[in-house]
Formats: sequence, structure tokens, C-alpha cells
Amino acid sequence: LAKTTQPISMDSYEGQEVNITCSHNNIATNDYITWYQQFPSQGPRFIIQGYKTKVTNEVASLFIPADRKSSTLSLPRVSLSDTAVYYCLVGFTGGGNKLTFGTGTQLKVEL
Amino acid sequence: DTGVSQDPRHKITKRGQNVTFRCDPISEHNRLYWYRQTLGQGPEFLTYFQNEAQLEKSRLLSDRFSAERPKGSFSTLEIQRTEQGDSAMYLCASSLMGESSYNEQFFGPGTRLTVL
Repeated sequence: LAKTTQPISMDSYEGQEVNITCSHNNIATNDYITWYQQFPSQGPRFIIQGYKTKVTNEVASLFIPADRKSSTLSLPRVSLSDTAVYYCLVGFTGGGNKLTFGTGTQLKVEL
Repeated sequence: DTGVSQDPRHKITKRGQNVTFRCDPISEHNRLYWYRQTLGQGPEFLTYFQNEAQLEKSRLLSDRFSAERPKGSFSTLEIQRTEQGDSAMYLCASSLMGESSYNEQFFGPGTRLTVL
């Protein structure tokens, strides 16, 4: 699976937009980009998945440039409850494959 | 609550003892996964089942670890002769294997194991 690189930590304030960028230079043609969120003492929770261009759901947006070597998770107007670890995963998720997590980005939101 | 459940949520044991964890997936999900997570790291894949068949095991999985899913529903993960290095959060996830290339895994709350 493609290796991903993302910042170890980020700080933000309530109401701000947060963008977390993930690098995946050796992404394969059939790989998807998926983001999970994890709160302390809980299992990860799926946020969003995309293949190219832009994907938006009720929680976040995912921006993927044409070369797909990076992606950006955008969280609009964060609140304290968005404080969590965010994982960027790259791989082919068809067929129910296992997920390969990196160390993630610890996002801390303050008042 | 129709999510993934795990039992127990916490387990403290002494080195050398055997422990068993249980996972109940979302009822219609045919795939079940076990992961292990240590402090500051992302979850690490251990093994997964499709229905009752165990399809893949991580090479990192010691022979002291065994998992079963006897009827294709709940699963158990047993660790024999526990070691202090086994202390971790053990996460279970499930998904519905289908024709789509998309495969969202739903995680349970985990079982935190502490080996003294």
C-alpha cells in the first residue's frame, strides 16, 4: 500500500477552517484516498473517501489534485469536539481489504 | 445500538495468563477485522474473516494469537501466555463486502488490555 505522510499535529481555534494535507507520492492507479477520525478510547470512524477532484459530505471536503500525489482534508468551522486524530489512508479498498494506518495528525481545537 | 460491540472494554491480566476478547459485528456485515493499537500509533492490522473463513493473518501475528468466527457472526480473539508487549487496544471492525470498490469499515470501541 502507498505510504502516506501527514503532519504530526495541528492547532486551531473554534470556527476556523482546518486543512490537513497528506502526501502519497506512490499512489497506485486503483488506490482510493480515505480519511478516518479517532477520538481517545474509541475506534476510528470513517470521514470521507475519494478518488479524484473533490468530494464533499456533511462533515468534510476532500480535495485531490490531478496528479493524486497528495490530498487535503478540509474541516469547515471546527469546534472543540473536532479535537481528534485524523488518519489519511491510501489503498484499494475494494474487496474489503485491510486498512493500513499511519501515525495520523493530532488536531487540537481551542476556544 | 446496532454498531460493533466489543467485550470486555478493559482487561487487566498477569503475564503468562490467557485472555479472550469478543467482537459482535454489525449484523449484516460479512467481513470482520481485528486490529491492535498501541499508544501514539495508528491501528495495526492483525487478521480478517469473510463469513467464517479467516482469509488473512498479519505476519506480525504471533502463534500465541488465535481468532475464530465460528458461525460467521461474532468473533473471538485469544492471546495465550500473555506478555507485557501485548498491552494495547484491540479493535474490531466490520464491513459489508459487496460489488462496489468502496469498503467502509465500522469500528468498535475496542478492548484495552493491560498485562502486568
